[in-house]
Amino acid sequence: IAGITQAPTSQILAAGRRMTLRCTQDMRHNAMYWYRQDLGLGLRLIHYSNTAGTTGKGEVPDGYSVSRANTDDFPLTLASAVPSQTSVYFCASSAQTGTGELFFGEGSRLTVL
Amino acid sequence: GESVGLHLPTLSVQEGDNSIINCAYSNSASDYFIWYKQESGKGPQFIIDIRSNMDKRQGQRVTVLLNKTVKHLSLQIAATQPGDSAVYFCAEGYNNNDMRFGAGTRLTVKP
Repeated sequence: IAGITQAPTSQILAAGRRMTLRCTQDMRHNAMYWYRQDLGLGLRLIHYSNTAGTTGKGEVPDGYSVSRANTDDFPLTLASAVPSQTSVYFCASSAQTGTGELFFGEGSRLTVL
Repeated sequence: GESVGLHLPTLSVQEGDNSIINCAYSNSASDYFIWYKQESGKGPQFIIDIRSNMDKRQGQRVTVLLNKTVKHLSLQIAATQPGDSAVYFCAEGYNNNDMRFGAGTRLTVKP
């Protein structure tokens, strides 16, 4: 059972470069999310999508964009990476909104130099 | 703005003992509260949730207590095992688009 698959696992990136983090789920969940995790700050929501074709902004959306062309894929793009975007990024999905049960991927560690 | 937080950043317990992890929240309008477990190098894993109209909920070896009067949430783990060693996060929300996580508590189980 794959669940949520994220790629790459880890990446070092020069500031100013464009980067796309990939996320794929095989659970046919309607909703998907991108979080960043920084020490001492917990998980913060970047963007979300309640269903294919729709997206919304979370708590910290600036500098990030997402798309949801189909149910399974939810890529996160950093158009021009900055050092403050160094973080661990988690993709998650849920069968429905209105509950707190999210299924998370293993994370993508991004370092922006 | 309102936030979710934790009383203790670290907790060390002896194997077989019960563990209690605490969480304070400030948004009285939250509809549900959740506990997640995160092992090193992995993504968070859902443990248990509780709705705002409940004060206790039990799962397998875990119990979550909600005290809305003092805005306090706790996770009790019975007979703690080495596999319980992880960082535990509480979270609150109205829906999944507005779920806020605390900073986490690291639980270490000593053999």
